[in-house]
Amino acid sequence: GAGVSQSPSNKVTEKGKDVELRCDPISGHTALYWYRQSLGQGLEFLIYFQGNSAPDKSGLPSDRFSAERTGGSVSTLTIQRTQQEDSAVYLCASSSRGHYGYTFGSGTRLTVV
Amino acid sequence: AQKVTQAQTEISVVEKEDVTLDCVYETRDTTYYLFWYKQPPSGELVFLIRRNSFDEQNEISGRYSWNFQKSTSSFNFTITASQVVDSAVYFCALSGARTGKLIFGQGTTLQVKP
Repeated sequence: GAGVSQSPSNKVTEKGKDVELRCDPISGHTALYWYRQSLGQGLEFLIYFQGNSAPDKSGLPSDRFSAERTGGSVSTLTIQRTQQEDSAVYLCASSSRGHYGYTFGSGTRLTVV
Repeated sequence: AQKVTQAQTEISVVEKEDVTLDCVYETRDTTYYLFWYKQPPSGELVFLIRRNSFDEQNEISGRYSWNFQKSTSSFNFTITASQVVDSAVYFCALSGARTGKLIFGQGTTLQVKP
């Protein structure tokens, strides 16, 4: 596709349930990033995939969070046993040459009730 | 450690006023990259500019201009003759040479009133 696609655009889930958020990067982009934006806050780095290298997971807030990137393309961010503080917009970005520009998706707004 | 500080949380101006958004960064890298993004009410992040650490030339793009000063670790953004459509949250961000990970500031909410 022409841009970074994220699904679903909105997700409401009950506390304690698991959720999966999907990111389809721009075709050919080797780098993929996940960020979290809580209400009124800046963007918090979560995880970064670059090609076949081991991902940089340094931003994941707890072991309830995990992410995979299959075939160097689509990525799934999984949050287990969701808590209310997980409510945020989760943004995905991809890049072909790292510092030359990142294209962000529209995000998934997660609400934990 | 890398850090980006946008000290101005909110700015309100009247249309046609000039406004400058401040950004101060910290990094130990000698090669790094600085960015500005705009986030309008629709929520999408819109790329505005990228600057590498070896290029201290200021840049102007229409009503937008950027002032990069390594001596003060600042990368400030000025909007000339602001318009209502400029109302948005603006983020300054930094990445090091070894990783593409972006470190964002907390953002500055700009409100331009007619």
